[in-house]
Amino acid sequence: QSALTQPRSVSGSPGQSVTISCTGTSSDFGGYNYVSWYQHHPGKAPKLMIYDVSKWPSGVPDRFSGSKSGNTASLAISGLQAEDEADYYCCSYAGSYTWVFGGGTKLTVL
Amino acid sequence: QVQLVESGAEVKKPGASVMLSCKASGYAFTSHYLHWVRQAPGQGLEWMGMLNPFGGSTTYAQKFQGRVTMTRDTSTSTVYMELSSLTSEDTAVYYCARGFSGEMAFDIWGQGTMVTVSS
Repeated sequence: QSALTQPRSVSGSPGQSVTISCTGTSSDFGGYNYVSWYQHHPGKAPKLMIYDVSKWPSGVPDRFSGSKSGNTASLAISGLQAEDEADYYCCSYAGSYTWVFGGGTKLTVL
Repeated sequence: QVQLVESGAEVKKPGASVMLSCKASGYAFTSHYLHWVRQAPGQGLEWMGMLNPFGGSTTYAQKFQGRVTMTRDTSTSTVYMELSSLTSEDTAVYYCARGFSGEMAFDIWGQGTMVTVSS
């Protein structure tokens, strides 16, 4: 399996909104709505931000939202804050008890 | 609280094997899959495989098949990951992560274990 395709970097100013895309093939996404998103600050463990395409785990602000259309999933972040600066990874269940991550996107808050 | 605690950093020579551990606490060990994910320097996250602690069944990413073995000890709520025939490309931080929401996402992560492969 190849990694899902994400932009290498995105940026935005505080208070603005950004969107990170995650593109795969029908085999990557497996026809399932099991896309999750992770925030990863260097030196720390990744943090689950979105699961099942658009659901929030407890404690994650609703400034983060997820969606999926066809073979592209997206993570939108509104009201950017300095602490949102991190690497973001999408991940999808790919069937047969396998998972695949995206290549990661570095979010810079200007 | 729910947590996964991984074993300490390792330095190995090329061709050697490494075994990492991940001890779960704060929840029913057999109720959630446990996954291994790694991140090489400057690279992204890479899913390696998973183990179902209930019966011990495993699935490995194609890239690692034949070189990785995941096992568990239910008496200590610990999962092990052994990676053999190490090369410098296996230098990475290795994370264990718990399955969540029908086991389709990863909600709790270990602190990460640095494995360095160097002659």
